[in-house]
Amino acid sequence: GESVGLHLPTLSVQEGDNSIINCAYSNSASDYFIWYKQESGKGPQFIIDIRSNMDKRQGQRVTVLLNKTVKHLSLQIAATQPGDSAVYFCAEKFGFQKLVFGTGTRLLVSP
Amino acid sequence: GAVVSQHPSRVICKSGTSVKIECRSLDFQATTMFWYRQFPKQSLMLMATSNEGSKATYEQGVEKDKFLINHASLTLSTLTVTSAHPEDSSFYICSARETTVSTEAFFGQGTRLTVV
Repeated sequence: GESVGLHLPTLSVQEGDNSIINCAYSNSASDYFIWYKQESGKGPQFIIDIRSNMDKRQGQRVTVLLNKTVKHLSLQIAATQPGDSAVYFCAEKFGFQKLVFGTGTRLLVSP
Repeated sequence: GAVVSQHPSRVICKSGTSVKIECRSLDFQATTMFWYRQFPKQSLMLMATSNEGSKATYEQGVEKDKFLINHASLTLSTLTVTSAHPEDSSFYICSARETTVSTEAFFGQGTRLTVV
């Protein structure tokens, strides 16, 4: 089913720490996953994606890990900065079907 | 990345009136556009999918006569909220995809609708 959150879980970290944001996805047939960053009052911004035939992908300061066995996705942000403060959503997709968004996690980075 | 522009970014309208939100792909042709609604502290919920020149496909529970979607060109889709009520107040976001087979969609900056 689709995920609808009533409130956002929050992850608070200090500047310079590494952050790990987790996501449990719902469809075992999903073959494409994306992490988005959403700042207050703005649309989602693409961060990184991964296909189901991979279990890890790295970008600049970010790494996405995919564990299909337990339907789990994580986003790791290295050396977190105050500008990383936002809400992070994972999204899953199967073939050409619609993107389904997770509930989101608010990341708060303290200087 | 490709740019998707939404207008207006904020709008306040009176209950019972209609309001139109525009979504434009600025540097690519969008075969498919998506409209989402996001309530505070919640995730994005897909309202409808529109392909250029075709009728929009609405998600279950979304009233097609209330949320009119037009995708008349490859660079413009509009969402019209008709006879708006306070419960329609929300953050509306569009996204655009270049082809029916491309995986990446680009998001607009969103429109905050407040119905008073």
